[in-house]
Amino acid sequence: GEEVAQTPKHLVRGEGQKAKLYCAPIKGHSYVFWYQQVLKNEFKFLISFQNENVFDETGMPKERFSAKCLPNSPCSLEIQATKLEDSAVYFCASSQRGEGDTEAFFGQGTRLTVV
Amino acid sequence: DAKTTQPNSMESNEEEPVHLPCNHSTISGTDYIHWYLQLPSQGPEYVIHGLTSNVNNRMASLAIAEDRKSSTLILHRATLRDAAVYYCILRDPWSNFGNEKLTFGTGTRLTIIP
Repeated sequence: GEEVAQTPKHLVRGEGQKAKLYCAPIKGHSYVFWYQQVLKNEFKFLISFQNENVFDETGMPKERFSAKCLPNSPCSLEIQATKLEDSAVYFCASSQRGEGDTEAFFGQGTRLTVV
Repeated sequence: DAKTTQPNSMESNEEEPVHLPCNHSTISGTDYIHWYLQLPSQGPEYVIHGLTSNVNNRMASLAIAEDRKSSTLILHRATLRDAAVYYCILRDPWSNFGNEKLTFGTGTRLTIIP
């Protein structure tokens, strides 16, 4: 497709429950990035992929967060045992190349609310 | 990543030009300057990027200082739809083996006054 598609748009989970978010990158884009926006303006990088390979996972809280990008499937971000502090908007972005002069295209985000 | 500094907020009248400043005094020689905007309840959207020369596209212009320590995003004629948070971001194409994440600052919230 011509846009990054994220599902669901909203997700509500009780504390301790699992949450799974999906992202379909733009067709032909090899690079996928996940970001977490907690406060209105503050973004935190979580993880990036080059095709199905994890490239940079320095932002991931590894004990509860995991992510995959498998061939012919949407990418996914999974949070086991959600905590209140995981409440945020999660954005996925894709780009054709990974270099610094490349434009990144963002999805509309998934708003996760942990209650 | 080199850091950028932007004013927290700015206001502008509708139909007037808007100049959004960004300071990046620690910019390296290979860093590209990128601008993204975020409308309420939406994902960030690419606006423009440049390296050394000023750049124009259908959305905006980017003026880069000669020493590259600062830049200005110019919206030539503000409309109400331009009300958004604007982020100035540096990206080094040669770092991280060519897979460079965007490092967002806190951005400038632009309010357009009708």
